[in-house]
Amino acid sequence: RKEVEQDPGPFNVPEGATVAFNCTYSNSASQSFFWYRQDCRKEPKLLMSVYSSGNEDGRFTAQLNRASQYISLLIRDSKLSDSATYLCVPATDSWGKLQFGAGTQVVVTP
Amino acid sequence: DVKVTQSSRYLVKRTGEKVFLECVQDMDHENMFWYRQDPGLGLRLIYFSYDVKMKEKGDIPEGYSVSREKKERFSLILESASTNQTSMYLCASSWTETGYTFGSGTRLTVV
Repeated sequence: RKEVEQDPGPFNVPEGATVAFNCTYSNSASQSFFWYRQDCRKEPKLLMSVYSSGNEDGRFTAQLNRASQYISLLIRDSKLSDSATYLCVPATDSWGKLQFGAGTQVVVTP
Repeated sequence: DVKVTQSSRYLVKRTGEKVFLECVQDMDHENMFWYRQDPGLGLRLIYFSYDVKMKEKGDIPEGYSVSREKKERFSLILESASTNQTSMYLCASSWTETGYTFGSGTRLTVV
């Protein structure tokens, strides 16, 4: 089993709609989590950090389910600029080494 | 803002050449990392470093080496470039408890 699994998508979302997708992780010792967004041919950029049960930042909400070992990301009122690949990253290494998921592609359409 | 600067955005090298990829960060971060990213495979860790002159192998170190002589600089070396090393190379830095800041990447093509 992979350490981090994500549905590659693409999730095609009409502008203004809500989209949610999950990420499952295998290491139950993971204490903190990160969501990164990566635009086409660009570097990943940190979107959100999750240190407890969840986090909310504007239109973005992350929820952590430790019992089932998954973390979700929800995007409300989707904008065209939200089109990107979203990478799930559980932090399992006490020295800060991160294991990246392969990402979920989101395409917001007019 | 933390800046992580990679020396080249695009590189084209010949098979067998020795290739140096440079990465510099300006926020005194302890940790630095080199990843490669390939379609369908995501980011794979090549090497990382927690301190000056310290290095650890990641998941795919074969064919690569690194150097960290100063805290702000972490270099990736392809000893003898091969076509299967054509990829996007991403450098990142961080404090231990935080997420990474990435450089803008180097797209390397080996011909």
